[in-house]
Amino acid sequence: DVKVTQSSRYLVKRTGEKVFLECVQDMDHENMFWYRQDPGLGLRLIYFSYDVKMKEKGDIPEGYSVSREKKERFSLILESASTNQTSMYLCASSLGRQEAFFGQGTRLTVV
Amino acid sequence: GENVEQHPSTLSVQEGDSAVIKCTYSDSASNYFPWYKQELGKRPQLIIDIRSNVGEKKDQRIAVTLNKTAKHFSLHITETQPEDSAVYFCAASKRSGNTGKLIFGQGTTLQVKP
Repeated sequence: DVKVTQSSRYLVKRTGEKVFLECVQDMDHENMFWYRQDPGLGLRLIYFSYDVKMKEKGDIPEGYSVSREKKERFSLILESASTNQTSMYLCASSLGRQEAFFGQGTRLTVV
Repeated sequence: GENVEQHPSTLSVQEGDSAVIKCTYSDSASNYFPWYKQELGKRPQLIIDIRSNVGEKKDQRIAVTLNKTAKHFSLHITETQPEDSAVYFCAASKRSGNTGKLIFGQGTTLQVKP
């Protein structure tokens, strides 16, 4: 059973804080993704990584960065959190062009 | 870049009726089209997918059709049941080496009334 685990289910952070969201997968998948889910906007891709230390911007990368030092771990970093980054964040992983498996999501609130 | 448009945003049907959700994609190089179902408070999960060398695929009450010329694909659910109520997402992906960057549509909230 593929497992994608996000480090936190709920997070509350202050404006201006640096925020780290962690995601770990246990199936040796080369692809990992960070999406943001907002009502009516679907799943918007923030960043995509296709190998260790390799990354590609998605549709909404502004205000975010990522790190992939090990194959199983993909971190999303909010350099200076703002209230418009309050959202549900979903991590996913996949092997090639096959089924993507999602984490349980992190509900981030920036106050 | 790749763009995926999904319609309708909400869909309400009576139990037993059929439901159809449609998506269009912009990148003609896209060749993998999965559909995900997200129940309330849960993570999205794959329900069916289709690749560009196939025009239609069926799995019990669920079917997906693909029209490569028009760059659109659709999800068909027959004999809907209340447990089909959820948010459905279409997505598109294209080959880039061995990787698969996955772009999603905006989602459709399906309500099946008993």
